[in-house]
Amino acid sequence: GAVVSQHPSRVICKSGTSVKIECRSLDFQATTMFWYRQFPKQSLMLMATSNEGSKATYEQGVEKDKFLINHASLTLSTLTVTSAHPEDSSFYICSVSQGATDTQYFGPGTRLTVL
Amino acid sequence: DAKTTQPTSMDCAEGRAANLPCNHSTISGNEYVYWYRQIHSQGPQYIIHGLKNNETNEMASLIITEDRKSSTLILPHATLRDTAVYYCIVRVRRVTGNQFYFGTGTSLTVIP
Repeated sequence: GAVVSQHPSRVICKSGTSVKIECRSLDFQATTMFWYRQFPKQSLMLMATSNEGSKATYEQGVEKDKFLINHASLTLSTLTVTSAHPEDSSFYICSVSQGATDTQYFGPGTRLTVL
Repeated sequence: DAKTTQPTSMDCAEGRAANLPCNHSTISGNEYVYWYRQIHSQGPQYIIHGLKNNETNEMASLIITEDRKSSTLILPHATLRDTAVYYCIVRVRRVTGNQFYFGTGTSLTVIP
């Protein structure tokens, strides 16, 4: 399946700053990428669907002005957490959709800690 | 949207088969069932998927009932490295893309 990387793997920032997380599809041109968030001891929650060259589609309850998604190329999508606060501390995971049945392949995740 | 129901946790003896059940009674005719697993602090790993026929690959087998309302993931010879949270997911078709909605999953512990 597709190989997906994320950068950084972990980041610590101060409250009020913005953080950018990169998701790269290393061996596949991904028209569609997805962003998830996972709080400790909870399941993954879909945040948004990112389609190359168009605006991302956000799930209900996810603030699009706070979580900025850019999918400018077929191999890169970025998630920017703007004005981060401690409640934004979480594990952020991206995935790419591949194949006739749209199997998703996930990145290793980014651990964000906001102080 | 089809939802899935899984037991919260299961134990399995090392070397034995692990059978993980999933209920998806509201599944539609064209919705696939996917299985992933997640080891602590890592991204989910794809295991297998199917529509209505049983499937097998190098990792596992997927048995889907004839009415498609439930399925079972089988790890034939569980090892300690198979300890993880296993998610059964029904893919949801949307205009923007085919999306996954994760349930709570089953925490499998393989015991030496």
